[in-house]
Amino acid sequence: DAGVTQSPTHLIKTRGQQVTLRCSPISGHKSVSWYQQVLGQGPQFIFQYYEKEERGRGNFPDRFSARQFPNYSSELNVNALLLGDSALYLCASSLWAEQYFGPGTRLTVT
Amino acid sequence: GENVGLHLPTLSVQEGDNSIINCAYSNSASDYFIWYKQESGKGPQFIIDIRSNMDKRQGQRVTVLLNKTVKHLSLQIAATQPGDSAVYFCAENTQDQGGSEKLVFGKGTKLTVNP
Repeated sequence: DAGVTQSPTHLIKTRGQQVTLRCSPISGHKSVSWYQQVLGQGPQFIFQYYEKEERGRGNFPDRFSARQFPNYSSELNVNALLLGDSALYLCASSLWAEQYFGPGTRLTVT
Repeated sequence: GENVGLHLPTLSVQEGDNSIINCAYSNSASDYFIWYKQESGKGPQFIIDIRSNMDKRQGQRVTVLLNKTVKHLSLQIAATQPGDSAVYFCAENTQDQGGSEKLVFGKGTKLTVNP
């Protein structure tokens, strides 16, 4: 079975631009969560979606938004990029409590 | 509050030795904990989990111990191999009133296995 997939793998953007990251969960998983991992730190929770509804939101500004589609895939959008948004963005899918992570998208903002 | 941290940022062991990675948590209401392994350039990989109604859980070469009295979690890796070299995170699963479940991670311990 395929695990969680994310695209793109790497991305370079300039300050002020907007970015969209994509995630496909494990087949059968209805919940998708997004995390930001800054170099040298543990992942920080951004959003959780379940059955296309936002279930939870971490301490991130409104520049961050997300959505989940009928097939349970998800997109994370970040507007007005700042240098500090440079990080590894991880998507995790879950059926129950166990969350399984994808390989991440490495975003670099210059 | 929610605070999951690790005692040691780095750990270096010899191949074949046993490794112990520690973790402290502060939310006594937490009832589910997970250990993840993260290799360079990859996403966290699920290793083993434990619920608060257990003190110990064993997997293949790994054991997780939970001490709720002192809010301490540890991961034991038996016969450590070079392929075990990675950053290890403990994560605390928290659930809010809206039903959202999120993982609260510590900073991680970098394990280096010397041949």
